[in-house]
Amino acid sequence: GQNIDQPTEMTATEGAIVQINCTYQTSGFNGLFWYQQHAGEAPTFLSYNVLDGLEEKGRFSSFLSRSKGYSYLLLKELQMKDSASYLCAALDSNYQLIWGAGTKLIIKP
Amino acid sequence: DVKVTQSSRYLVKRTGEKVFLECVQDMDHENMFWYRQDPGLGLRLIYFSYDVKMKEKGDIPEGYSVSREKKERFSLILESASTNQTSMYLCASSLAGTGDSGANVLTFGAGSRLTVL
Repeated sequence: GQNIDQPTEMTATEGAIVQINCTYQTSGFNGLFWYQQHAGEAPTFLSYNVLDGLEEKGRFSSFLSRSKGYSYLLLKELQMKDSASYLCAALDSNYQLIWGAGTKLIIKP
Repeated sequence: DVKVTQSSRYLVKRTGEKVFLECVQDMDHENMFWYRQDPGLGLRLIYFSYDVKMKEKGDIPEGYSVSREKKERFSLILESASTNQTSMYLCASSLAGTGDSGANVLTFGAGSRLTVL
């Protein structure tokens, strides 16, 4: 079957760095997405990886290893506004998204 | 700057009532989706549509139907609401699903939180 695993909750300190991991098993693979969702709001797109390696966008970076079925989202210089859920989703061979349950990130001062 | 609009943020309905959730997008996207989001579970796809008057079942279509009479509008219908349909419903849209990474990025509406009593 198809499956996405990510930690349920993580806590980090303002100004620090945090890495949110995601492992996936899908029928075929056409890329890996990360979305951010603040409480009570819609998910918003953060990043997309289809090739192995690291993609950097300001304080946020996303990494993909296709051979390991693994991705991570790296958040640097954490700010209080980064407190949110982070959703990992893989695009399968039919271009359907398989979603993880999300990682709730709590930032403490 | 709102691009995907869901008609109702909060609804409270009684068991057995018919419920309509409306979604409109102004980005001329071909694809539209309805998901439900429940605590501890990933987004679950109810129905999606690749074109006007076209619909495809997602992972959990039972108890739901959809309508897409115009490209910009995708409606979710609960023919007879039940308590297990209490959830957050998210509408999303994207360009046609192809190998182009940008085409598969979803833009979500703000969500409709439905409570069925």
